[in-house]
Formats: sequence, structure tokens, C-alpha cells
Amino acid sequence: NAGVTQTPKFQVLKTGQSMTLQCAQDMNHNSMYWYRQDPGMGLRLIYYSASEGTTDKGEVPNGYNVSRLNKREFSLRLESAAPSQTSVYFCASRSGTDYGYTFGSGTRLTVV
Amino acid sequence: AQTVTQSQPEMSVQEAETVTLSCTYDTSESDYYLFWYKQPPSRQMILVIRQEAYKQQNATENRFSVNFQKAAKSFSLKISDSQLGDAAMYFCAYTSPPKLVFGKGTKLTVNP
Repeated sequence: NAGVTQTPKFQVLKTGQSMTLQCAQDMNHNSMYWYRQDPGMGLRLIYYSASEGTTDKGEVPNGYNVSRLNKREFSLRLESAAPSQTSVYFCASRSGTDYGYTFGSGTRLTVV
Repeated sequence: AQTVTQSQPEMSVQEAETVTLSCTYDTSESDYYLFWYKQPPSRQMILVIRQEAYKQQNATENRFSVNFQKAAKSFSLKISDSQLGDAAMYFCAYTSPPKLVFGKGTKLTVNP
């Protein structure tokens, strides 16, 4: 089925460890996004890529890096995980024609 | 910066009755899109309804309808004939691409 695929779905890290969250879409969308969701805070934008080859900071970029590997893939990296990065992470992509956003199923990350 | 405010952290409704969720937003743009997303416990983000700012007619999708007041920057969601399956977090969101900005959400409980 067409959509946005995120891996992994769950992850537990120790403080200071690094990891990369993977995201891929097969809808030929130009724009891709990474959000984090915390209780009572809604979804907050971490980074986005308006088109292949470009990335920009969102509302809460500190502690994260991103790579737009190609048109399909947009990864999020935590270089040195901190407990404050415990959250649910969503990847999304956007259609350039009707501005429809499609979300992945999320990654629950716990940093201990 | 664009902001989205949902003033009701929690709402409850009796099954088969009608409930309205509130949303206000702040923007200086004239062309934009507004959305309501539903997030059940599965955490999947499900698009409920969307509204293009240039359209005066309020959007409807089966039991879901919006009251879009552009001058007041208000975008409320009305759920008619509420069902147990409507219980979820509901997020109001705004976009004037490339960014999609969310409110903090309203938790809707449906009582049998």
C-alpha cells in the first residue's frame, strides 16, 4: 500500500547513544517532515525538507540532524540521546497538488 | 509565526449526541489550508476534514462538519450523532506550505 513507512516502531536507548530513524514514502511527494509528539504539546516540527536536496529547521531542532537521502527517504538522527528526547516521532510527506499530508505510524522512543 | 490554539484539552459527549471542538489560529497569510486530524490510541494520524481558506463554503464529511470563520480566524469541528469509535485525540492544524502547524489537541471521550 502506498504511504509513509517509518522504522523502527519502538526503540529504547541509553543516554548518550546515537540512532537514526528512517522514513520512506512511495507517493512521489517533494516535501517531507519530522515531528515529535509529547503529552499535552501536540505535534511539533523538528525539521522539514521542502524538496530533494534541501532541509530546514522547524520549531524544536536542537539535538537532531536530518538527511534527505533522495526523493523517497528522509532520516532523523540523534547523535547523543538525552532523556528529554523521549517522545513519539512521526514522519510525514506532502502532496504538492492538493496539499494532503500523509503520516507514518510513528516511532516510540524511550531514552533512559 | 503561525499558531494554532485549541482551548479545550478535554471534552466528553454522550453517544448519539453532537459535540463541537474549538480551534483558533493566527496568520497573516491570505491563502492557507486548515485540517482536523483524529488520533486514536493506535496513534495513527487520520485526516478527518480539510478546508481551503479561499472557499467560503464550510467543508463536510458525513457526520463531521466545520464552521470556518475566516475573519475571526476560527475553525471549529462539529461531530454529529457521536459514536464510540469517535473517541480519540483531535488535532487542529494549519498550513501555508511548506509548514504544517498543530494545536495541542483535544481529547474526546464518548460515553455510552
